Amino acid sequence: EAQVTQNPRYLITVTGKKLTVTCSQNMNHEYMSWYRQDPGLGLRQIYYSMNVEVTDKGDVPEGYKVSRKEKRNFPLILESPSPNQTSLYFCASRSSLGARNTEAFFGQGTRLTVV
Amino acid sequence: LAKTTQPISMDSYEGQEVNITCSHNNIATNDYITWYQQFPSQGPRFIIQGYKTKVTNEVASLFIPADRKSSTLSLPRVSLSDTAVYYCLVGEVMIKAAGNKLTFGGGTRVLVKP
Repeated sequence: EAQVTQNPRYLITVTGKKLTVTCSQNMNHEYMSWYRQDPGLGLRQIYYSMNVEVTDKGDVPEGYKVSRKEKRNFPLILESPSPNQTSLYFCASRSSLGARNTEAFFGQGTRLTVV
Repeated sequence: LAKTTQPISMDSYEGQEVNITCSHNNIATNDYITWYQQFPSQGPRFIIQGYKTKVTNEVASLFIPADRKSSTLSLPRVSLSDTAVYYCLVGEVMIKAAGNKLTFGGGTRVLVKP
């Protein structure tokens, strides 16, 4: 089954404690992205990756890092989380090919609370 | 990327057809129109995509007039489980130049009542 898997689904952490949210896709997609979703602000892109070792900032990259060492994985790293990073996070992937390449596949989401 | 405008919310009843219109006056020649559905606390899910005229799949229909400045997502005979937020996105299919971003606007919150 084609899917994007994020872990963990829920996480409560304390300010300053480094954490990583993992994302893995099994569709051999080139493009992967991280979004955060906040009430009233919609979905905003944090970082994206066009392929292995190619990443770039989205609209709200401050306080986040990513890496793309393998095609299937795109972890989101919060080196020093702060309460304003409390949010619902989604990883997404999609193919670069074909007429349907605006069809993104999203993970189930990670609800992060930073206290 | 073309900006989109859609109603904030719509109410409907089970069994009715729901039509959500999205305006995208600045749509470019290479832009496709894509609709996503999102249930609470879940990731958005692709529904349908089109370029012009009409596209239909097992979930919905998408109507695009000749000038492509708007599009209408049609959900036939909705049920309670169709209660969700629906997003209209407009963007270039060959998106390398566009930086891989799918820009989600505010969406339309559809509430289906019994």
